[in-house]
Amino acid sequence: ETGVTQSPTHLIKTRGQQVTLRCSSQSGHNTVSWYQQALGQGPQFIFQYYREEENGRGNFPPRFSGLQFPNYSSELNVNALELDDSALYLCASSLQGRSYEQYFGPGTRLTVT
Amino acid sequence: GEDVEQSLFLSVREGDSSVINCTYTDSSSTYLYWYKQEPGAGLQLLTYIFSNMDMKQDQRLTVLLNKKDKHLSLRIADTQTGDSAIYFCAERGGGGNKLTFGTGTQLKVEL
Repeated sequence: ETGVTQSPTHLIKTRGQQVTLRCSSQSGHNTVSWYQQALGQGPQFIFQYYREEENGRGNFPPRFSGLQFPNYSSELNVNALELDDSALYLCASSLQGRSYEQYFGPGTRLTVT
Repeated sequence: GEDVEQSLFLSVREGDSSVINCTYTDSSSTYLYWYKQEPGAGLQLLTYIFSNMDMKQDQRLTVLLNKKDKHLSLRIADTQTGDSAIYFCAERGGGGNKLTFGTGTQLKVEL
């Protein structure tokens, strides 16, 4: 059974740019959630995708958007990057019906300069 | 809204037991979790407990839940240096899919 994978591991962007982060969910998991973890903080829920539809959203502005593909992989897109977007972005996958078990990937470290 | 609080640091000697505490505010929480995060890594799901339980044991880990006081604890028996990490408490609210995390407790295990 493969775990959750994310790419890239690290990236550096400039304020105002756009970024796309990718996540491949654990084998058989059809629900993907994204979290933002600022330095020294706990993860904050961004949104969740199930069957290619957004299925719950946290307190993040519309410039944070996502996609889920038929193979359950997912993308997080952030437009008009701000310095405060610098964080570790974590993807978690779960089985619908067992969505209480969320398994996290290693994260993508985004630095905005 | 939901809030989860934890103490920031805990230091123990190798071989001792560690107890990490957490309080939460959401009375509709359905599941409560403990995750472990090592430096530069993602979150590892250690264990979770359903809100109608008051205790769960899994090898060296014991979770205690006091739903009346909204207090959750994680006891690690025979703590080892490999247990040094940040431990996050999280809760899942009723009817929702998101997890709300605390700020994490850094556990340091000394020889």
